Amino acid sequence: NAGVTQTPKFRVLKTGQSMTLLCAQDMNHEYMYWYRQDPGMGLRLIHYSVGEGTTAKGEVPDGYNVSRLKKQNFLLGLESAAPSQTSVYFCASNRDDGFNEQFFGPGTRLTVL
Amino acid sequence: SQKIEQNSEALNIQEGKTATLTCNYTNYSPAYLQWYRQDPGRGPVFLLLIRENEKEKRKERLKVTFDTTLKQSLFHITASQPADSATYLCALPISGGYNKLIFGAGTRLAVHP
Repeated sequence: NAGVTQTPKFRVLKTGQSMTLLCAQDMNHEYMYWYRQDPGMGLRLIHYSVGEGTTAKGEVPDGYNVSRLKKQNFLLGLESAAPSQTSVYFCASNRDDGFNEQFFGPGTRLTVL
Repeated sequence: SQKIEQNSEALNIQEGKTATLTCNYTNYSPAYLQWYRQDPGRGPVFLLLIRENEKEKRKERLKVTFDTTLKQSLFHITASQPADSATYLCALPISGGYNKLIFGAGTRLAVHP
């Protein structure tokens, strides 16, 4: 099992450009999450999904959109990138409700110039 | 709002000693608390989960305590090794279910030979 994978690993964008980050998991998990991690701050939840075809806003959703067309994939989109979106983005998945751990991907380092 | 605080200063200890990391939270009564390890350039990896009715949990050289009166968790690594050097994150479930988590900023541990 590959677990949770993310593509790309690194990306540099110019202000106003758009891009999509892809997260894939092969554990048949229902729940998936997108976080951003900035220096000195904890991971902050952007959006999450509790099943195929569902999405919901997290703590910091502005400027991002998501889609979960297939159970194993969770996409994070930036329609018009801003320098404030420079961050490391992590995707995570979770089996279901209950007291379970989250499995994280390796992250995507995004720089917006 | 829910807040988690971890010591932002790095903890430097000598190999073989016990490392103790602190996680404090406010405005909250979580059903459980989790600890994760994060190495540079990688995603967090789950270590331990402790429920609100458990005072202590152990796994090999790791021990976690959970004091719901003090609103504090302590994370101990006994007989520490240089390989234990990493950033350790505590996480609590956000109200509303679906295993959404709020993370502390983490404490960096450096174990010196």
